[in-house]
Amino acid sequence: EIVLTQSPDFQSVTPKEKVTITCRASQSIGYSLHWYQQKPDQSPKLLIKYASQSFSEVPSRFSGSGSGTDFTLTINSLEAEDAATYYCHQSSSLPHTFGQGTKLEIK
Amino acid sequence: EVQLVQSGAEVKKPGESLKISCQGSGYTFTNYWIGWLRQMPGKGLEWMGIIYPGNSNTKYSPSFQGQVTISADKSINTAYLQWGSLEASDTAVYYCARLITSLNWFDPWGQGTLVTVSS
Repeated sequence: EIVLTQSPDFQSVTPKEKVTITCRASQSIGYSLHWYQQKPDQSPKLLIKYASQSFSEVPSRFSGSGSGTDFTLTINSLEAEDAATYYCHQSSSLPHTFGQGTKLEIK
Repeated sequence: EVQLVQSGAEVKKPGESLKISCQGSGYTFTNYWIGWLRQMPGKGLEWMGIIYPGNSNTKYSPSFQGQVTISADKSINTAYLQWGSLEASDTAVYYCARLITSLNWFDPWGQGTLVTVSS
């Protein structure tokens, strides 16, 4: 089973700041890495698929990069509505696995 | 609009059985996989398993194999997650979500079903 490790676990940030969340896989997964946003008491929503492809209607301030074992989710010019927990997810092999999550708090 | 609608919250006692559902609409149900995911209170997402309703091909995470049963009834566009004997540790929100293939991303997600197991 592939283990995904996100960092940081928690980050407190101010609006308009740039945020970078990383996700490291225990073995190479190519580009099969996806990012989700989960706000409190809501279902997760897909932000980025295949490492860098923005999903429909996702604001352009969200972007993804990486391949192999190291991946990054970047949020440019953070907005208050971006307060949420972010998860990476690998679909390279079964069983799929998720990172432990990164909680963003807006100051 | 593609949508997955899950059954309502459940409160059960340890040892009881339970089957929760996830109904798809707005797309051809038999052409996409449905996955089940667990989120324990205050914790992250866990991949439990997936099913292809077209032929009921099912794949489980080793962590959940033998603990739950995933099934589907394609005549009513519904997938199910079932327990034979619940434990307090099964208390969680359970989500269903759609995948294009077994090696893809999840979208969309259902609204979640809260299962509470308490004596």
